Amino acid sequence: AQSVAQPEDQVNVAEGNPLTVKCTYSVSGNPYLFWYVQYPNRGLQFLLKYITGDNLVKGSYGFEAEFNKSQTSFHLKKPSALVSDSALYFCAVRDDQAGTALIFGKGTTLSVSS
Amino acid sequence: KAGVTQTPRYLIKTRGQQVTLSCSPISGHRSVSWYQQTPGQGLQFLFEYFSETQRNKGNFPGRFSGRQFSNSRSEMNVSTLELGDSALYLCASSLTSGAESSYNEQFFGPGTRLTVL
Repeated sequence: AQSVAQPEDQVNVAEGNPLTVKCTYSVSGNPYLFWYVQYPNRGLQFLLKYITGDNLVKGSYGFEAEFNKSQTSFHLKKPSALVSDSALYFCAVRDDQAGTALIFGKGTTLSVSS
Repeated sequence: KAGVTQTPRYLIKTRGQQVTLSCSPISGHRSVSWYQQTPGQGLQFLFEYFSETQRNKGNFPGRFSGRQFSNSRSEMNVSTLELGDSALYLCASSLTSGAESSYNEQFFGPGTRLTVL
């Protein structure tokens, strides 16, 4: 069965510092991996995805993520955090053999202090 | 292009009632998926529709149902509401469905906040 784990409920960083939000996954086939962000009282906004190819994926708002097949991880990163990055971040996976439903992690709250 | 729209944004119902939520996908998108978001269970997949057919279904009781119209708009219905159905219901659209769509991102609406009293 597919699953996604986000081991940290909350990540706190100071503005200007690099940030990392962790995600590990488990699928039977090849993974398609996604990161979404949710602001209060809003739906989810797509940040980036990994399908195949380069392990480093660049996305919206300066975010990037690194796919590591041996560690089954897809951590979200940003070199310099902004206060406006404070939000709830979700990692999601699809198995290429299991249909189109997205399986989400529990979410990580990112708090960036000024 | 307009995004995914969901109506209503907020609903308050009592136990035993039924409710219908509506979702209009991005123009040209033919796949609509529904998710339930709660603090305890997180985001859970309900079902997906493509070309008026249910393509995929999550692990929810039969009280949860949906449909899709020829213009790709979708509705979901919850009958005999329970307190545990209180949640944010999110609709997402994407261009296609099936194997070729597994790598397509989904675009989410703002959600409908359902409160069951």
